[in-house]
Amino acid sequence: DGGITQSPKYLFRKEGQNVTLSCEQNLNHDAMYWYRQDPGQGLRLIYYSQIVNDFQKGDIAEGYSVSREKKESFPLTVTSAQKNPTAFYLCASKSVPGNEQFFGPGTRLTVL
Amino acid sequence: AQSVTQPDIHITVSEGASLELRCNYSYGATPYLFWYVQSPGQGLQLLLKYFSGDTLVQGIKGFEAEFKRSQSSFNLRKPSVHWSDAAEYFCAVSSGGYQKVTFGTGTKLQVIP
Repeated sequence: DGGITQSPKYLFRKEGQNVTLSCEQNLNHDAMYWYRQDPGQGLRLIYYSQIVNDFQKGDIAEGYSVSREKKESFPLTVTSAQKNPTAFYLCASKSVPGNEQFFGPGTRLTVL
Repeated sequence: AQSVTQPDIHITVSEGASLELRCNYSYGATPYLFWYVQSPGQGLQLLLKYFSGDTLVQGIKGFEAEFKRSQSSFNLRKPSVHWSDAAEYFCAVSSGGYQKVTFGTGTKLQVIP
């Protein structure tokens, strides 16, 4: 089945540690996106990538980094510079003809 | 800049009653509009989308939405709500292509027996 996978489902880290969230898609979509979701704030865009080896900052990129070395993969690193990293992180992909985004199941990151 | 407003943070309806969730958008041209649903701790699932053509669009799970350009609205409706519809609903707007999608803050739906 085609879709988007995110791993792990739950992630716990100590303050000051970098952590990388995985996102893989087998939908052959060119574009991929990372969102952060906090209660009552909807989805806020962190980074997005329209093509391999290229990505753009979203609205809240500070403290995060990404890479796009393969079409299928778009990992997100939450660095120690992110002041409040505890949140639910969602990855999505998109193909132009349909225009809608397809979402992964999310990763809940808790920084202790 | 594009924006989306969902004025209702929380809505409670009785099972079997009709439902309307409000969405207002701000965008200069004809927007691409979406409604997504999210169950707790899960990703988002597309309910329906509007690009052009008929302003009343049908989606999955018996949902429909109507695009009203004059009111900059894209309200989601369902004639009879089921307990399984309890979830959070997000309206979103895009300029199309690979450009960013802007989401509303969501409306949480509670269904009572």
